[in-house]
Amino acid sequence: DAGVTQSPTHLIKTRGQHVTLRCSPISGHKSVSWYQQVLGQGPQFIFQYYEKEERGRGNFPDRFSARQFPNYSSELNVNALLLGDSALYLCASSQHIGQGAPNTEAFFGQGTRLTVV
Amino acid sequence: GEDVEQSLFLSVREGDSSVINCTYTDSSSTYLYWYKQEPGAGLQLLTYIFSNMDMKQDQRLTVLLNKKDKHLSLRIADTQTGDSAIYFCAESNTLDQLTFGKGTKLSVIP
Repeated sequence: DAGVTQSPTHLIKTRGQHVTLRCSPISGHKSVSWYQQVLGQGPQFIFQYYEKEERGRGNFPDRFSARQFPNYSSELNVNALLLGDSALYLCASSQHIGQGAPNTEAFFGQGTRLTVV
Repeated sequence: GEDVEQSLFLSVREGDSSVINCTYTDSSSTYLYWYKQEPGAGLQLLTYIFSNMDMKQDQRLTVLLNKKDKHLSLRIADTQTGDSAIYFCAESNTLDQLTFGKGTKLSVIP
């Protein structure tokens, strides 16, 4: 079975531009979460979607938005890019969410490395 | 607020045991996780422990949880050069949103 797949793997954008990152979860997984990992730091939670609804949002500005499609794939959009948005963007999928639910562990994709110049 | 702390570096000799430590602050954490990240790669789930357990063993990996002190450790027995990587401790809230530490870089000396 394919794991979590993200595209593109790398991209370079200019300040002020917009970017769309894509994620396909593991087959059967209904939850997708996005994380930003700046060089030398641990990943930081951006968004969580479950059954196409936003279930959580981290401390990120409104320039960041996301959505989940009927097939459970997801897009992360970032507007008005800043140099500080340069990072590895990780997508994670899990079957379910919620305290005590089985199969809630998150499996991560390889990430998209975004460089803003 | 939630916070996860880890030491940044650990160096061990091949064949020795490695112990990576982590402290967390959120007493409502449900699961605690260890992830491994190799250079240029995503995160690989190594193991996790439910917050009402105090120990979990999985082959060369042993996780110890002291819930009173909010302290989590990962022991890797017979450490190999292929274990060289960054190890992240993470806690999850009730919706399984993860808070990560900054990672511990493990260097294995042949």
